[in-house]
Amino acid sequence: EVQLVESGGGLVQPGGSLRLSCAASGFTFSAYWMGWVRQAPGKGLEWVANIKHDGSEQYYVDSVKGQFTISRDNAKNSLYLQMNRLRAEDTAVYYCTRGPTYYDFWSGEKYFDYWGQGALVTVSS
Amino acid sequence: QPVLTQSSSASASLGSSVKLTCTLSSGHSSYIIAWHQQQPGKAPRYLMKVDGSGSYNKGSGVPDRFSGSTSGADRYLTISNLQSEDEADYYCETWDSNTHVVFGGGTKLTVL
Repeated sequence: EVQLVESGGGLVQPGGSLRLSCAASGFTFSAYWMGWVRQAPGKGLEWVANIKHDGSEQYYVDSVKGQFTISRDNAKNSLYLQMNRLRAEDTAVYYCTRGPTYYDFWSGEKYFDYWGQGALVTVSS
Repeated sequence: QPVLTQSSSASASLGSSVKLTCTLSSGHSSYIIAWHQQQPGKAPRYLMKVDGSGSYNKGSGVPDRFSGSTSGADRYLTISNLQSEDEADYYCETWDSNTHVVFGGGTKLTVL
C-alpha cells in the first residue's frame, strides 16, 4: 500500500524557517517524480515544487523560487521541503504528492496519483 | 502555460448523475488531466486521469460510478448514482512543458 506521511509542520514566526519531511513507503520511491502542493485556508490547491526521480532537477512555482528548496534522499525514501524567510501568505496545509515514474514522464503521463495527509504550516507572530 | 477552468459550484440530487467540466486553454487541448476529490476536512484523493482521446484510467479503489470523457478541450468527470459522500471539492490538474503543475480552481459539488 502506497503511503506518504508528512511531518515537520507547526507555528513559525515571519522570517523564520521550517523543514517538512515526507516518508514514503509501499512503492519504489527512487523511480518516481515527487512534489509538494499547498492549500491556504479556505482556498484551492496550489502546486509548490517538483523533483525528478534522481533528484537532478527541481522546479518551483514562481512565488517560492529562491525561498523554498525541494530535495530527496532515495536511500531513506524521503522527500523534503526547506522553507526559509516564511511569510504569512505561506500559511497553508502542505501535501506530499507522488508524480510519474521516469518512463511515464517521458510518455507524457504526468500527474499526481497519491497524496499524503498534509502538514499544517502557520506563519504568525 | 495551460490554464484549467472549472465552474465554482455544481449541485445534483441524491441518486442522480452529474458531469463536471475542466476546460483546457487554447493550444493545450491535447493535454492529459487528472481529477482529484477532496472531501471536507480531508486530503485530496486521486480519482482518474483523462487524455485527449477520452480514455480514462482510475485510481485504486475508485468506485465504478466515476467515469471520465473528453470533447475537444473539455475534460469531464461524470458521477452516477450520486451518494452523500460524493459531496466534495473536485480539482483538475495538468503539467506543462516546463514540468510546472497547474490546478483548476475547483468545483464544489453539493448533493441535494
